[in-house]
Amino acid sequence: EVELVESGGGLVQPGRSLRLSCAASGFTFDDHAMHWVRQVPGKGLEWVSGITWNSGSKDYADSVEGRFSISRDNAKNSLYLQMDGLRPEDMALYYCARGRTGYYPGGAFDMWGLGTMVTVSS
Amino acid sequence: DIQMTQSPSSLSASVGDRVTITCRASQSISTYLNWYQQKPGKAPKLLIYAAFSLQSGVPSRFSGSGSGTDFTLTITGLQPEDFATYYCQQSYSPPLTFGGGTKVEIK
Repeated sequence: EVELVESGGGLVQPGRSLRLSCAASGFTFDDHAMHWVRQVPGKGLEWVSGITWNSGSKDYADSVEGRFSISRDNAKNSLYLQMDGLRPEDMALYYCARGRTGYYPGGAFDMWGLGTMVTVSS
Repeated sequence: DIQMTQSPSSLSASVGDRVTITCRASQSISTYLNWYQQKPGKAPKLLIYAAFSLQSGVPSRFSGSGSGTDFTLTITGLQPEDFATYYCQQSYSPPLTFGGGTKVEIK
């Protein structure tokens, strides 16, 4: 079955760190760019970060630049998001999404996981 | 950063109606524009990519048009399962920004 499964979310205090993971299955992982997108419950979608198939390019939203780091392990079919210096405004449901192609710009997100919730609170 | 502005933010329509949602980019993005549908409690689903290409498995009542800065998603013959929130997204240049969303509700 083709799927993306996120994990690693939870409750964390402001200023602390969290590492999200996304396990991919059912497709050739290294054919695709991968992305993280977040959504505050009841609000819109916000792209957080993206990485090309070979990790050659990584990009971030201005709101997380310098605090979050995206990475992937093609041998393990896995995507990661290291989140440091978490703030209350980072609290959201974090989705892992697959790019239609190995590179971006240009590629839409054709497959999404169910998301993992990150709560930032003291 | 490229800003994406959707309109309207919400609309009410009846089954069978033709619905049009617009999306405007703050600068030209060629045809690097995608449309997604999201239902409550579910992940977004890709409908249209590259402005007018229908994603596999998506019904043909969905169509997209536009280039440059102005884009449109049209649903021709609204079905009960189409009541949802729709988002546009530019994939021209990082950050890959989304529009604010358009909620399509039952009249």
